[in-house]
Amino acid sequence: DTAVSQTPKYLVTQMGNDKSIKCEQNLGHDTMYWYKQDSKKFLKIMFSYNNKELIINETVPNRFSPKSPDKAHLNLHINSLELGDSAVYFCASSRSRDSYEQYFGPGTRLTVT
Amino acid sequence: DAKTTQPTSMDCAEGRAANLPCNHSTISGNEYVYWYRQIHSQGPQYIIHGLKNNETNEMASLIITEDRKSSTLILPHATLRDTAVYYCIVSPTNFGNEKLTFGTGTRLTIIP
Repeated sequence: DTAVSQTPKYLVTQMGNDKSIKCEQNLGHDTMYWYKQDSKKFLKIMFSYNNKELIINETVPNRFSPKSPDKAHLNLHINSLELGDSAVYFCASSRSRDSYEQYFGPGTRLTVT
Repeated sequence: DAKTTQPTSMDCAEGRAANLPCNHSTISGNEYVYWYRQIHSQGPQYIIHGLKNNETNEMASLIITEDRKSSTLILPHATLRDTAVYYCIVSPTNFGNEKLTFGTGTRLTIIP
């Protein structure tokens, strides 16, 4: 019973391609997030959605587009992939935007060649 | 921009208490202190949080100094599974942690 799941776990692709990462949570949470962890292990928030509404959009290239079809899902689509996009992407969720605890998924390791 | 300072790494013997310090000298009155950890190749995991009182849960204890400029996370009986990077985070708002800002953390290694 995985609380927050991501697919795929690994993604290897070439520069210029478009790819998507999917995230699903079965916790009934209202708020979902995308984080990026780079090669230096810094973990930074990218986006946050609350009840399918975008509430946080950090300084992220517009090649990255999140989509929340329902509050249990938050997908991340990346256009025109670049070498610098290589990182581990984590999805997370919390009961509400006021919750102190975020539940993280296992991560998707994206490698752009 | 993380507003906390933590040692880069620490070792602790298995079965002993692990005490992880965190300095947050610029913390504001309405900011909480959160602790998360990240075990290798996994997503971060919430441990505990507090405002000004000491807190304890099934995982750990959090001791916050009276001036709130520093805190210590205590794992009372460390096991090998506690080996991880531990992040001390100061929340920018008392309404939640929607903008968790992770720093470099402390890499804790539990020695058998």
